Amino acid sequence: GDSVTQMEGPVTLSEEAFLTINCTYTATGYPSLFWYVQYPGEGLQLLLKATKADDKGSNKGFEATYRKETTSFHLEKGSVQVSDSAVYFCALSDHRGSGGGADGLTFGKGTHLIIQP
Amino acid sequence: DTAVSQTPKYLVTQMGNDKSIKCEQNLGHDTMYWYKQDSKKFLKIMFSYNNKELIINETVPNRFSPKSPDKAHLNLHINSLELGDSAVYFCASSRRTSIQETQYFGPGTRLLVL
Repeated sequence: GDSVTQMEGPVTLSEEAFLTINCTYTATGYPSLFWYVQYPGEGLQLLLKATKADDKGSNKGFEATYRKETTSFHLEKGSVQVSDSAVYFCALSDHRGSGGGADGLTFGKGTHLIIQP
Repeated sequence: DTAVSQTPKYLVTQMGNDKSIKCEQNLGHDTMYWYKQDSKKFLKIMFSYNNKELIINETVPNRFSPKSPDKAHLNLHINSLELGDSAVYFCASSRRTSIQETQYFGPGTRLLVL
């Protein structure tokens, strides 16, 4: 079955540091890939996504590139801020799942990011 | 305007009780989902519905019964609550197309079973 593996935290960085959160996936089909962010006490918000190989998703200074050859979708940001402290989830959805476009997302276990001033 | 809303936000109840969580979306989407997030923050799909029809049912105990009265609503009823049902339950919605569209999540319902 499909699965997503991401580094587990907490990851603690100083403000303005470079961020990388690794994410690799296993899928039988040809998935779309997503990064969601969850701020304390809130629901999940889409951060960025990519639907085909070599696509780069970007938003709010975060970027991730869909790498089919390494089955990866690593999240990066050049200079993090205290306000980026949250839990980050990598997720996939397989277009050819049994749900035919109504499939649930398969999530990684989440990475808790803490940015210190 | 809230895109995906859930009620209640918090739910504290005794073991053995029956409770419902409601979800509504005003995005015009035709597909809705329920996810469970456990104490370690792990998220897992429970159900998906498309145009009121059940599409995905991920081996959830039959004490959990989703109901979709229309495309904009997906409610979750839980019978005979158990301690292990304590979790955060998220509703989400999306459009159903040939690719997986972005899913938009509600704020979550925090269920505590005592």
